[in-house]
Amino acid sequence: AQSVAQPEDQVNVAEGNPLTVKCTYSVSGNPYLFWYVQYPNRGLQFLLKYITGDNLVKGSYGFEAEFNKSQTSFHLKKPSALVSDSALYFCAVRDITGANNLFFGTGTRLTVIP
Amino acid sequence: GAGVSQSPSNKVTEKGKDVELRCDPISGHTALYWYRQSLGQGLEFLIYFQGNSAPDKSGLPSDRFSAERTGGSVSTLTIQRTQQEDSAVYLCASTATGPNTGELFFGEGSRLTVL
Repeated sequence: AQSVAQPEDQVNVAEGNPLTVKCTYSVSGNPYLFWYVQYPNRGLQFLLKYITGDNLVKGSYGFEAEFNKSQTSFHLKKPSALVSDSALYFCAVRDITGANNLFFGTGTRLTVIP
Repeated sequence: GAGVSQSPSNKVTEKGKDVELRCDPISGHTALYWYRQSLGQGLEFLIYFQGNSAPDKSGLPSDRFSAERTGGSVSTLTIQRTQQEDSAVYLCASTATGPNTGELFFGEGSRLTVL
């Protein structure tokens, strides 16, 4: 069975500080991993993905994420947070064996404090 | 259109009534997904359409829920005999490539409130 865990409902960080939003996953095979962001009253937007290759992937708005197979993690990071990064972040996983559905975590609300 | 369009954006209904939610995907996108977003529950997969293949209905929570996709484009999610626990935001997403990339384009959702 596939699942995603986002252990923190809420993350607060000061503007200019580095941020990390955590995600761990469980799949039976190799994973495809994704991060999406949801700004207030907006739909979800794709940020970045890991399919294969380099474990460090870079995405939109200066975000990056590192795939760690041994720890089954895919934490989202940014070196310097902006107030405009405040939003709801979702991690998602699918199993490369072919299941159609993309499993999402429960989301982490990031608040960047000016 | 430029993006995934969903209607209505808000729907308030009485318990026991039927509702229809519409999704107009990005032109040319062959795959279409429905998800449900409840407070604190993340996104719950409901159903997936890919081209002319039989849809993956494995996420539909009960037989009160159904969806169709006409002509490989517009999709309608129907909830019969609505219950209060059906209250949620229903999100539609589409993608041009196969399901493997996961880079979905989401609409802004239809917020359903069942009184």
